[in-house]
Amino acid sequence: NAGVMQNPRHLVRRRGQEARLRCSPMKGHSHVYWYRQLPEEGLKFMVYLQKENIIDESGMPKERFSAEFPKEGPSILRIQQVVRGDSAAYFCASSPTGEYGYTFGSGTRLTVV
Amino acid sequence: ELKVEQNPLFLSMQEGKNYTIYCNYSTTSDRLYWYRQDPGKSLESLFVLLSNGAVKQEGRLMASLDTKARLSTLHITAAVHDLSATYFCAVDRETSGSRLTFGEGTQLTVNP
Repeated sequence: NAGVMQNPRHLVRRRGQEARLRCSPMKGHSHVYWYRQLPEEGLKFMVYLQKENIIDESGMPKERFSAEFPKEGPSILRIQQVVRGDSAAYFCASSPTGEYGYTFGSGTRLTVV
Repeated sequence: ELKVEQNPLFLSMQEGKNYTIYCNYSTTSDRLYWYRQDPGKSLESLFVLLSNGAVKQEGRLMASLDTKARLSTLHITAAVHDLSATYFCAVDRETSGSRLTFGEGTQLTVNP
């Protein structure tokens, strides 16, 4: 059981570029959550998805950020026109039922230069 | 809006000592979680507390939940250096669509 797989582990982007972060949930898990962790802070919820559906995106910034979880393939968190303030660790978690039992991935550390 | 507060935020202790980390939350919650995070790493699940009065223990760590006081505690017994990490509590509510709200984290350093 490979667990929740996130890639890349580290991503460096220049201001104005796009960042794409990928998350493959655990086998059998159809619920995916994205969280952002700014330096020295706790994790903040961004978005909750099931296959092909966004269930709750109340934590997503209104502009430049989008997420999807297609029928086939990993969940993608996309950040357009990145700015320095987007530098953070982005964690994905998955759950089999949408209730407790969340497993976190290793995260993607995004650095915007 | 659900708020989760931890204290202390920073804790430096000697090996062999006991201490407690507190987690307060603002509204009724269905579940309370404790996670450990080592620097640059992901979150490791420690405990899930589901009901009032729940107590769980694993090694030198014990977690408890008082839903009436909206308080959870993580008690460390006879600390060892390997426990140095950041500890987060988090809550979720069925009505919030199963998203976790995290506390700010307690950075624990155990000195030899």
